[in-house]
Amino acid sequence: NAGVTQTPKFRILKIGQSMTLQCTQDMNHNYMYWYRQDPGMGLKLIYYSVGAGITDKGEVPNGYNVSRSTTEDFPLRLELAAPSQTSVYFCASRDSHSNQPQHFGDGTRLSIL
Amino acid sequence: GDSVTQMEGPVTLSEEAFLTINCTYTATGYPSLFWYVQYPGEGLQLLLKATKADDKGSNKGFEATYRKETTSFHLEKGSVQVSDSAVYFCALSDPPNTGNQFYFGTGTSLTVIP
Repeated sequence: NAGVTQTPKFRILKIGQSMTLQCTQDMNHNYMYWYRQDPGMGLKLIYYSVGAGITDKGEVPNGYNVSRSTTEDFPLRLELAAPSQTSVYFCASRDSHSNQPQHFGDGTRLSIL
Repeated sequence: GDSVTQMEGPVTLSEEAFLTINCTYTATGYPSLFWYVQYPGEGLQLLLKATKADDKGSNKGFEATYRKETTSFHLEKGSVQVSDSAVYFCALSDPPNTGNQFYFGTGTSLTVIP
């Protein structure tokens, strides 16, 4: 039961570098989400998608981009990394029925120095 | 708009103590309510859910009852263990009003000491 898989688990970037955080799910869920969690804080929604080819901004989209070319994959792109983007990033997915829970990956711990 | 307000932490309890973590919500419609648990270094895991008023969700000895009259979904456990040490998040989903998003509380950190 793979569920939601995120790679890499850890990464250190230098200021100004770019990278893509990968997220894939094998549950055939239409809805997928990216959150960031700063130390000791709750979750903030970055972007979400309700299906292939459809993405929408969440609460904190600046500095990030996403794409959804397939149902399974929802990569998050950081362009020009900044120290303020140091965080733990979680990907989640859920079935489109209204009362279904979100399923989370184990997260990517990203430090920008 | 919809929102979730969760009890401030951190909470420290002795093993076998009774646990209550308060969660209240504001919703325009009829939301589904969830409790998630996050163990150190891991992602969030669904602990339990309730989809309509008076429903009781339960799992691993934890319980929460969807109280529409008090707009609450408090998490309880009769006897906590050291292994219950984690951060607990209350969340709601109310598609007619929140779209496809979930609204999460800020999390309550629980530490259980032997």
